[in-house]
Amino acid sequence: DSGVTQTPKHLITATGQRVTLRCSPRSGDLSVYWYQQSLDQGLQFLIHYYNGEERAKGNILERFSAQQFPDLHSELNLSSLELGDSALYFCASSLFGTFMNTEAFFGQGTRLTVV
Amino acid sequence: DQQVKQNSPSLSVQEGRISILNCDYTNSMFDYFLWYKKYPAEGPTFLISISSIKDKNEDGRFTVFLNKSAKHLSLHIVPSQPGDSAVYFCAASAAGGATNKLIFGTGTLLAVQP
Repeated sequence: DSGVTQTPKHLITATGQRVTLRCSPRSGDLSVYWYQQSLDQGLQFLIHYYNGEERAKGNILERFSAQQFPDLHSELNLSSLELGDSALYFCASSLFGTFMNTEAFFGQGTRLTVV
Repeated sequence: DQQVKQNSPSLSVQEGRISILNCDYTNSMFDYFLWYKKYPAEGPTFLISISSIKDKNEDGRFTVFLNKSAKHLSLHIVPSQPGDSAVYFCAASAAGGATNKLIFGTGTLLAVQP
């Protein structure tokens, strides 16, 4: 158990809909990262929050947004869903804002299926 | 543009033999590299890392080698065990700056045959 909790584990929704994925980081971790793993692809970095502030953006679509709340949990909002958004979405947390000296701990992921 | 490449999607090895997983990168600014292991239905877990100031880091059965001139790193598992069967992701990070993120490869599925 990495200590990072993601809910829900599975989500099936229709095209055009909006969903919210939730992540609770490990106790004490200030950074939350979101990654997307589509079929036959590596984990693609989406966005990074550190202590409530956005720190970096990766390949995140404009239809997607995220935030980190004062209690440090984070939500990833996906809207106007398309079939191609079907993927495994991982959240990771780390104590600091960089991977240089610490490793990140990943949650089990949320498998999103858009039908 | 894939900055971190794992060109072998899968690898099959006999139990007790050496497993060698390879990773190539293109960005010379990367100076910290990590390997993650992922079992089905679980998130990736950190395995071993190496800084660019080193060319080798060892942790038990796992050793990572870094060849900066070739922009290549490899993970050696000796001896391989059936429990090592998983997907292995190579990841790289650049120092400092405003971007704190890992660039992952596409992963290599290792199957260790009993």
